[in-house]
Amino acid sequence: SQKIEQNSEALNIQEGKTATLTCNYTNYSPAYLQWYRQDPGRGPVFLLLIRENEKEKRKERLKVTFDTTLKQSLFHITASQPADSATYLCALDSYLGDMRFGAGTRLTVKP
Amino acid sequence: GAGVSQSPRYKVAKRGQDVALRCDPISGHVSLFWYQQALGQGPEFLTYFQNEAQLDKSGLPSDRFFAERPEGSVSTLKIQRTQQEDSAVYLCASSSGRSGEQYFGPGTRLTVT
Repeated sequence: SQKIEQNSEALNIQEGKTATLTCNYTNYSPAYLQWYRQDPGRGPVFLLLIRENEKEKRKERLKVTFDTTLKQSLFHITASQPADSATYLCALDSYLGDMRFGAGTRLTVKP
Repeated sequence: GAGVSQSPRYKVAKRGQDVALRCDPISGHVSLFWYQQALGQGPEFLTYFQNEAQLDKSGLPSDRFFAERPEGSVSTLKIQRTQQEDSAVYLCASSSGRSGEQYFGPGTRLTVT
């Protein structure tokens, strides 16, 4: 069956360091992979989308990589700030509309 | 411009009651999605509309769950004879296309007692 795993439930890092979050999947051939941020009591907010034929995408302090051979995406936040503390969700999109989410990684950036 | 709105934000239902959850997508967005999110988990896909057509309802957990979008804009998710396991946050999202970035509403937190 299809499985999406995000590396850990929680990740704690010091302000200024780079946070690296992992998303692995099995039995799936996504056309896109997306990353969302979710704060408590709110809906997810779109951050980045990377297509199956793209290796890397950047947006300000965010970087996403996508390796379809390893079936893995890495999400990096450089120069992290306490305001980056949130849950980060990866989602796989197959062109068909049925987007599937991982369970999320809760990131805490300590000042 | 307004984002996706959902109402009510919170709903408490006694087991066995029917509930209706409303979603107002971003104006002009053809695609609308419903998700169920349990505490500490990611959103689970329920169903997907393109305009008024329900193209995928494979994620609806039982025939007690029913969704509609009769005029291709506002959508309602109805749960009949609610059970305790239906307690969750129900998220609605819309997008301008079939795939790609989705814009989420704040969710409706349903508690079945």
